[in-house]
Amino acid sequence: QVQLVQSGAEVKKPGASVKVSCKASGYTFTSYGISWVRQAPGQGLEWMGWISAYNGNTNYAQKLQGRVTMTTDTSTSTAYMELRSLRSDDTAVYYCASSTVTHDAFDIWGQGTMVTVSS
Amino acid sequence: QSALTQPRSVSGSPGQSVTISCTGTSSDVGGYNYVSWYQQHPGKAPKLMIYDVSKRPSGVPDRFSGSKSGNTASLTISGLQAEDEADYYCCSYAGSPYVFGTGTKVTVL
Repeated sequence: QVQLVQSGAEVKKPGASVKVSCKASGYTFTSYGISWVRQAPGQGLEWMGWISAYNGNTNYAQKLQGRVTMTTDTSTSTAYMELRSLRSDDTAVYYCASSTVTHDAFDIWGQGTMVTVSS
Repeated sequence: QSALTQPRSVSGSPGQSVTISCTGTSSDVGGYNYVSWYQQHPGKAPKLMIYDVSKRPSGVPDRFSGSKSGNTASLTISGLQAEDEADYYCCSYAGSPYVFGTGTKVTVL
């Protein structure tokens, strides 16, 4: 079936980097984009950015520009999100989501990856 | 880009209808017909319920409907059921980024 499977939980110290993976299956990976959305504990959803799995074009949220990099590996149908210079307010569940039904909504979601930033 | 404004909570009895509003600006909700709605149960990933203002993905009950007027979008749940108790988030394209709403907790009394 169509699904996105993310890597496991991470604990990082302030200033470190984290790289979360998102493996797609059940559909043609390069036909759709992947967005990343995060959710701090008890808070709402925040869009982080998008990457085209077709050509690697990216579009990042302004507040994360310079700290985030999104990439894909088409040979393994996997998307990656790397966040650098981690701060305590980066503690959140990070989701990848694909837009297959329309390019402006997120219909397939990964299970989420908890990233905890703590000294 | 500021978050879209949603009521913190709404509630209703089984069988009743509830409507959640999502207020933005002419730069997001009012400027594009790209509003989507997501349902999120505790500890779970969000689920797409409505896209392009009023379209339902396959498998979403027709009890869920969406609309938009000016800078405000709305999600209506008709015939409320116990399993509809969850958090709901709107989302709008905003020219380059996407912006989510603040979220609404729906309680089934």
